[in-house]
Parts: sequence; C-alpha cells; structure tokens
Amino acid sequence: DVKVTQSSRYLVKRTGEKVFLECVQDMDHENMFWYRQDPGLGLRLIYFSYDVKMKEKGDIPEGYSVSREKKERFSLILESASTNQTSMYLCASSFPGPQYGYTFGSGTRLTVV
Amino acid sequence: RKEVEQDPGPFNVPEGATVAFNCTYSNSASQSFFWYRQDCRKEPKLLMSVYSSGNEDGRFTAQLNRASQYISLLIRDSKLSDSATYLCVVISSGSARQLTFGSGTQLTVLP
Repeated sequence: DVKVTQSSRYLVKRTGEKVFLECVQDMDHENMFWYRQDPGLGLRLIYFSYDVKMKEKGDIPEGYSVSREKKERFSLILESASTNQTSMYLCASSFPGPQYGYTFGSGTRLTVV
Repeated sequence: RKEVEQDPGPFNVPEGATVAFNCTYSNSASQSFFWYRQDCRKEPKLLMSVYSSGNEDGRFTAQLNRASQYISLLIRDSKLSDSATYLCVVISSGSARQLTFGSGTQLTVLP
C-alpha cells in the first residue's frame, strides 16, 4: 500500500519557535508538495519540489522554507512560528505528468500559541 | 477572482437522491481536472479524473465544459457513506505540475 507519512499528527508550538514538519513517501515520486488547509480558504500551496534539491515557491511561501535532500523526504520549516501559522498542513506527492493525481499524507494539525 | 470556485454548500440530501456539484475555473489554459473527496479530519483522496468526453465510475459521473470553463460531479443513488467534502481540482499550466484546489462542497446524505 503506497504511503505518504507525516511525522506528527498534532503539534503545539510556541510563538517564535523553529518548527520542522517532516514528510516521507515510499512511492518513488518525483514531485512533492506542502499545502496548508484553513476553513473557507481551502488548500493553498506553500512550496513544491519536482526533484532532489529543487524547490519552487507556491502561492503562500512567506514565513516558510523547505528542504529536499533525498527524493523520498520533503521537510517544511517554519523559521519563527507565529499564531497565524496555526493550520492543518498536508504533504502530497505524485509522479510527473498531468494524468496523475496526488497522494496525500494524513496531515499535521499545528497550533502555535 | 479565485482560480477555482465551488459552491461551499452544505448540501443536505436524503439517501437515494441524485446530487450535482459544479465548479468553475478561471484559467482557460488549465490542462487537467480532478475531483477529490475529503472526509472529516482526513486527508483528501482522489475520487476521479475528469476527461473532456465525460466519464463515469459507478454512481459518479464527471463532466467538463471547456467553453464555459466548468466541471461537474453527479452522484446518483446517494449513500450515507458519500457524506464528505468534495474538492474540485485543476492543474494549472506552467513548468511544474501543481494542483489548484477549490474550497470544497460539503455533502451530507441523510437517512
């Protein structure tokens, strides 16, 4: 069974902390993505990567950075967490090509206090 | 204007009813289209792709109208288990594939 695994289901962090969200996929997918999902706003793309060490900004990259040192792992970093970054974070991966959908991880619900 | 727009609902329908959702997209160069399903507190999962000629998967039918820039999802003979949020998804053009999601339409099927 193919999988995208996110390291934490729930996280509570303090304002100003550096936060790492990890995502690992076992499907040998080239493309990986980080989204956040908020009520009424839907899923918004933060960053994506279509190869190792490659990264591209999505629609809302401010306050975030990413790292892709290995094909199977894509990390999202909040350099200095703020309360407006409280959200559900979803990692996804896919093969390249428009005929492929995404496989999502089960999400990390982050609360910044 | 949002790139992908959906009626948020909620749609509350009785078991056995037929229900349809529409979704409009603003980028005429959009390449591919999908419907995803998201259960409460779960991740989105691919329901079906949407092809130009329309396609059917059991009780689900997806249609694409490129001229009017909308896609639709029809669910026949609704089941309680169909209760979920349905996300319209569009692939934007560009150097890297990326999906743009609508905000979702919430469906509740009532006994």
